[in-house]
Amino acid sequence: TQLLEQSPQFLSIQEGENLTVYCNSSSVFSSLQWYRQEPGEGPVLLVTVVTGGEVKKLKRLTFQFGDARKDSSLHITAAQPGDTGLYLCAGAAGATNKLIFGTGTLLAVQP
Amino acid sequence: KAGVTQTPRYLIKTRGQQVTLSCSPISGHRSVSWYQQTPGQGLQFLFEYFSETQRNKGNFPGRFSGRQFSNSRSEMNVSTLELGDSALYLCASSSGTSSSYEQYFGPGTRLTVT
Repeated sequence: TQLLEQSPQFLSIQEGENLTVYCNSSSVFSSLQWYRQEPGEGPVLLVTVVTGGEVKKLKRLTFQFGDARKDSSLHITAAQPGDTGLYLCAGAAGATNKLIFGTGTLLAVQP
Repeated sequence: KAGVTQTPRYLIKTRGQQVTLSCSPISGHRSVSWYQQTPGQGLQFLFEYFSETQRNKGNFPGRFSGRQFSNSRSEMNVSTLELGDSALYLCASSSGTSSSYEQYFGPGTRLTVT
């Protein structure tokens, strides 16, 4: 069974702080996606990484895919209240739309 | 482009009843996947339809079924509802081709079974 463990599970920080969320697995994934979900809504795709060691930047968000394609991290610089939400990583094994979702990280950014 | 739409947004059903949920994918997308989200189990894959055929299936009982129409719209059916089926049901669409497996989610249908 493929599992994706995220850490930390909960994170409450002040506006302006930096943070990193980790997504780890013992399985290899062909691609990994990060989503943010707000209460009562569906997850919104933030980024897809497909190459081991790949780093992608999206404004204040930096995503990295591990060299072995088993883990990933999301780093947020100078967090803002608008970053509040549930962050989910999701891995695809092979050419498939069957995503294995991580356990989630609930982020609260206090003004 | 319009996003993924799901109807209804909220449903309350009684144990033993059945329910049908609907999903309209992004125009041009041929793949529709369904997921169940609960506080205890998180997001779990139910099944995927591509060009009216089930292409992938998760580990859910046969009470959960789906179908896809020629216009790529999809429906999901749950028969003999149980209390544990209370969840947010999400549908995601993608082009489904090997060039992109990025999925875009709808707002979900919140199902409550009493």
